Amino acid sequence: EIVLTQSPATLSLSPGERATLSCRASQSVDIDLAWFQQKPGQAPRLLIYEASKRAPAIPARFSGSGSGTDFTLTISSLEPADFVIYYCQQRNEWPFTFGPGTKVDLK
Amino acid sequence: QVQVTQSGAEVKKPGDSVKVSCKISGQNTYSYGISWVRQAPGQGLEWMGWISARRGDTKYAEKFQGRVTVTADPSAGTGFLEMRGLTSDDTATYFCMRDTPVQIVPLRDFLVGPWGQGTRLTVSS
Repeated sequence: EIVLTQSPATLSLSPGERATLSCRASQSVDIDLAWFQQKPGQAPRLLIYEASKRAPAIPARFSGSGSGTDFTLTISSLEPADFVIYYCQQRNEWPFTFGPGTKVDLK
Repeated sequence: QVQVTQSGAEVKKPGDSVKVSCKISGQNTYSYGISWVRQAPGQGLEWMGWISARRGDTKYAEKFQGRVTVTADPSAGTGFLEMRGLTSDDTATYFCMRDTPVQIVPLRDFLVGPWGQGTRLTVSS
């Protein structure tokens, strides 16, 4: 199965700063990578699909890039609600797998 | 608007089985699949398996093969996750989400989701 590695495990930043989250796959997943955001006590929600396409109603401060094995989720200017956990998921081949997550917390 | 609603919390003993349901409404009954994902307390997301509502095709994570069965009743717009031989390690929140309707992947231009609210399973003697 494809293993996803996310870095860093925790990202400590302040509101207004730029966040850069990384997801690396153990083999190429082409552009078939999604990013999810999970707030405490809630189900995850889709932010980005196919590496760079924003899901409906997702603010423009969220952007995704990459292909093959290396992907990035960028939050251009952090707002208070953005200090939560982010997961990547590869959807290129079965079984679909998730990365371990990156927690964005307040510095 | 598609909505996903799961069954309520469960408390089981080691060795028991559990069956969790996931109802998808506001969607053409046959044009979806359902993935199941679990999250142990304080841990990350773990993909478990998938079913195509239309064809009944299934896929499983190797870890769950043989112990977990996913099924669907498309006429009721509902999917099910059954897990046998429960241990304390199965204590987690189980999520379903609307997912690709077909076995052939990748499927482009498909928006996965929404997710159900989660079903908390506690396994304790």
